[in-house]
Amino acid sequence: KAGVTQTPRYLIKTRGQQVTLSCSPISGHRSVSWYQQTPGQGLQFLFEYFSETQRNKGNFPGRFSGRQFSNSRSEMNVSTLELGDSALYLCASSAAGTGDSLLHFGDGTRLSIL
Amino acid sequence: GQQVMQIPQYQHVQEGEDFTTYCNSSTTLSNIQWYKQRPGGHPVFLIQLVKSGEVKKQKRLTFQFGEAKKNSSLHITATQTTDVGTYFCAGRRGGSNYKLTFGKGTLLTVNP
Repeated sequence: KAGVTQTPRYLIKTRGQQVTLSCSPISGHRSVSWYQQTPGQGLQFLFEYFSETQRNKGNFPGRFSGRQFSNSRSEMNVSTLELGDSALYLCASSAAGTGDSLLHFGDGTRLSIL
Repeated sequence: GQQVMQIPQYQHVQEGEDFTTYCNSSTTLSNIQWYKQRPGGHPVFLIQLVKSGEVKKQKRLTFQFGEAKKNSSLHITATQTTDVGTYFCAGRRGGSNYKLTFGKGTLLTVNP
């Protein structure tokens, strides 16, 4: 089985721009979660989608949004980019998205804001 | 909101020494998971603990879940250079909220 695929792997943007990141989960997985990883802050939860519905949301401003399509692929959008948005954005999928599901992470998209 | 604290933030050991990282939650957890992230890589699932007082072993790694299900630890015996990486704990509360909250991780470096 192919793993979780995130595109693009690297991205450079300038302040004020917007960006869309893509995540293709493992085949058959219906839950997709997004995390922001920065040095010293660890993995901070952005949101989780299950069957096209946002089921959980972290404490990020409204500039961060996402969606999930019927094939479980997910996109994350960040508008009006700020320097502090520079981070590794990780997507993770799980089979059923239940309380005992383990997460399978992609390699991430490294976003740099100039 | 739920907080998961993990200590220490960094740990440097000589190869062959033991290593322990500790995880504490502000709320009772339904389960706790551990992940390892190698430098330049992505987090990889290691194990899940569900029962109060549970202890699980994977070769040189020993995982424990506290009796109150609010704390956990990972102990590595006789570290090797292949153990280098950041170890994260991640906890879930009970009920219908499946959100997984990660600790900030412990970065382990091993001097050969």
